[in-house]
Amino acid sequence: AQSVTQLGSHVSVSEGALVLLRCNYSSSVPPYLFWYVQYPNQGLQLLLKYTSAATLVKGINGFEAEFKKSETSFHLTKPSAHMSDAAEYFCAVSEETGRRALTFGSGTRLQVQP
Amino acid sequence: KAGVTQTPRYLIKTRGQQVTLSCSPISGHRSVSWYQQTPGQGLQFLFEYFSETQRNKGNFPGRFSGRQFSNSRSEMNVSTLELGDSALYLCASSFGGSENIQYFGAGTRLSVL
Repeated sequence: AQSVTQLGSHVSVSEGALVLLRCNYSSSVPPYLFWYVQYPNQGLQLLLKYTSAATLVKGINGFEAEFKKSETSFHLTKPSAHMSDAAEYFCAVSEETGRRALTFGSGTRLQVQP
Repeated sequence: KAGVTQTPRYLIKTRGQQVTLSCSPISGHRSVSWYQQTPGQGLQFLFEYFSETQRNKGNFPGRFSGRQFSNSRSEMNVSTLELGDSALYLCASSFGGSENIQYFGAGTRLSVL
């Protein structure tokens, strides 16, 4: 069975500061990993994906994530936070074979202080 | 290219009623998945349809059902609504291939009174 743990339900940073959102996964088979962002009253927007190619993945809006198999982690980073980054972020895992449903973490709400 | 379209955006129903939600996937996508989002349980997988067949199913009671049409559009039905069914229901579409990249609609917010 696969699972995702997001450390920190709320993260607050100052505008211009580094954003680091943590995600650890467990999966019995090679995983596909995703980060999604959700703005209020909206659906989920795909930020980036890891599908067993490069371990450092670049996404939209300046975000990137690094797949570290030894640490079973897929942390999301952005060098400089912008006010518009305030939203909820979800890490998700799906297996390469077998069950195709996305398993989501519980989400991290990012606040950006002026 | 149009994204995933879900209708209606908002619904208010009373306990015991039934409800049908609709999802139109991105053109060319053959897989449609449904998820329930609540503050307490987070995002949970309901089921996935591919080429009109249910391919995967989550751990929800039989009151939750779905179907997919030949044009890949999908509907989700919930019968005998309970207060706990109040949630944001999200639909996601994908090509259905191994990479499983899913694109989400804006969701239907269901309130059960």
